[in-house]
Amino acid sequence: GEEVAQTPKHLVRGEGQKAKLYCAPIKGHSYVFWYQQVLKNEFKFLISFQNENVFDETGMPKERFSAKCLPNSPCSLEIQATKLEDSAVYFCASSQLQGNLHFGNGTRLTVT
Amino acid sequence: AQTVTQSQPEMSVQEAETVTLSCTYDTSESDYYLFWYKQPPSRQMILVIRQEAYKQQNATENRFSVNFQKAAKSFSLKISDSQLGDAAMYFCAYRSRLWGAQKLVFGQGTRLTINP
Repeated sequence: GEEVAQTPKHLVRGEGQKAKLYCAPIKGHSYVFWYQQVLKNEFKFLISFQNENVFDETGMPKERFSAKCLPNSPCSLEIQATKLEDSAVYFCASSQLQGNLHFGNGTRLTVT
Repeated sequence: AQTVTQSQPEMSVQEAETVTLSCTYDTSESDYYLFWYKQPPSRQMILVIRQEAYKQQNATENRFSVNFQKAAKSFSLKISDSQLGDAAMYFCAYRSRLWGAQKLVFGQGTRLTINP
């Protein structure tokens, strides 16, 4: 498709539950990025992929966060045992080699 | 590591007037991209303008233009003839031109209010 598709738009989880977010990048884009935007509006980089390979995971809280981009499937970001502080909007973006990043509309995660 | 700083958390301007949003960055690289993104209340991320560091000419897109000062590591956004629809958060961002899935490094954002 011509836009980055993120699902679901909203997700509500009780503290300690698992959350899984999905992202379908634009067809032909080799790079996928995940960002977390908290209420303060600052963007925190989580992880990037080059095709199905992790390129940079320096932003990932390793204990509870994991992500995958498998061939012929949407990319996913999974949070095990969610905490209140995980409440945020999670953005996925994709790009071609040196191109602009195209962002999805985000998934708003609320942890109660 | 690269950093991007937006020192103005909030700015306001009268409709039809001009406003400049500031951005500075720090990098040891010589080739990179700089961007301004707009984020309205819908949270959608909209690319406003892009500058390649090797280009001396400042980028322009209709009412939006930048003042790129490479030596000073400064990249300000000028919005001319401000319109109510320009009200949004604006983020300055840096992207390396090195090989690979280079991430965008964002500034803290500036909230722009347009006064009718």
